[in-house]
Amino acid sequence: ETGVTQTPRHLVMGMTNKKSLKCEQHLGHNAMYWYKQSAKKPLELMFVYNFKEQTENNSVPSRFSPECPNSSHLFLHLHTLQPEDSALYLCASSQDNMRNTEAFFGQGTRLTVV
Amino acid sequence: GESVGLHLPTLSVQEGDNSIINCAYSNSASDYFIWYKQESGKGPQFIIDIRSNMDKRQGQRVTVLLNKTVKHLSLQIAATQPGDSAVYFCAENIMGNTPLVFGKGTRLSVIA
Repeated sequence: ETGVTQTPRHLVMGMTNKKSLKCEQHLGHNAMYWYKQSAKKPLELMFVYNFKEQTENNSVPSRFSPECPNSSHLFLHLHTLQPEDSALYLCASSQDNMRNTEAFFGQGTRLTVV
Repeated sequence: GESVGLHLPTLSVQEGDNSIINCAYSNSASDYFIWYKQESGKGPQFIIDIRSNMDKRQGQRVTVLLNKTVKHLSLQIAATQPGDSAVYFCAENIMGNTPLVFGKGTRLSVIA
């Protein structure tokens, strides 16, 4: 148990669906991240939030929309996805993104787009 | 959680032997490095970290070596066990800059 919880663990959605991934951390951290891990690429950073403010969007398509209502929760809203978006989506948190400290990862959501 | 389909370097080691996993990092300005372990179906898990003012750090059964001259990082696992089978990632970052940047990973397979 890393203190970072992601739900759901598995999700199958059609290309016209709208769904959301949820991440919650109980570590008192101020920075949260979304990473994508696919069969064809290594871990790719998608979004960074530091003290609830988005500080990085790594050229992610607009069909992925993050939301960070507070420092403990992070969402990734999905709409009109493509089959190539199927991947493991990992949430992570760290003390903040200005210090050299480790990031703690959740178990991930395995997303399949059909 | 493994990068299925991605061509990962694979290291096969006999149980009880020592393992050495290598990583070449990209940015000479990186000053913090971490090794993560990712088992099947799980997210990456922290193993050990090292800052650039050190060249060696030891943990329980693991040692990380840093060679800044050639931008090389290694993870040594002593007395490798079946439970060590996983994909291992090195990650780097720069103080006050972007979050961790991950390498492609190495798959460690322990032969019982």
